[in-house]
Amino acid sequence: NAGVTQTPKFQVLKTGQSMTLQCAQDMNHEYMSWYRQDPGMGLRLIHYSVGAGITDQGEVPNGYNVSRSTTEDFPLRLLSAAPSQTSVYFCASSWEGDGWGMWTGELFFGEGSRLTVL
Amino acid sequence: AQKVTQAQTEISVVEKEDVTLDCVYETRDTTYYLFWYKQPPSGELVFLIRRNSFDEQNEISGRYSWNFQKSTSSFNFTITASQVVDSAVYFCALRDSGNTGKLIFGQGTTLQVKP
Repeated sequence: NAGVTQTPKFQVLKTGQSMTLQCAQDMNHEYMSWYRQDPGMGLRLIHYSVGAGITDQGEVPNGYNVSRSTTEDFPLRLLSAAPSQTSVYFCASSWEGDGWGMWTGELFFGEGSRLTVL
Repeated sequence: AQKVTQAQTEISVVEKEDVTLDCVYETRDTTYYLFWYKQPPSGELVFLIRRNSFDEQNEISGRYSWNFQKSTSSFNFTITASQVVDSAVYFCALRDSGNTGKLIFGQGTTLQVKP
């Protein structure tokens, strides 16, 4: 069981370039999200999805785009990279339960993608 | 607005010392969920615990214990007899009130345990 898989793990971009961070989960989770981690700021939510075809903005959405065409995949697109987007990015998924217990609310995280924009 | 504050940016202790990581949260919800995650130097995020707002019992898991106090809106994490392997960044988080699976994270506390 792979869990949440993120690719690539490392990437260096030049200002203005675009790229896509891939995220896939094999746990049939409804909810998926992207966070960025910067020193002293914890993890901040970029975009999230509550199911295929449904996405919404988080706390820091500017400069990023997402789509959710399948339950499994939730790619994050950087439209025109800027040095301020240098960060570590985490994709996460969760199962929200069926109302009958055995719900932990735990977010399952990928291993992270370290992005540097020069 | 919902918010999580971890006022301790960095803590350094010597092995075998006890250490407490503070977490203070703000929410208007009557039902809510709190979490702790650990991020070791390797970078992955490891789930440690979830606590429901309606369950105020403290929890102990080996050397780890959590003290949940609704009266002070705190959810503190204590490591007893710390070990070098406990060195990590620890995040406290609050589940967003909407049914979206989102978590609101604190800034994180970096714990360094010296041998």
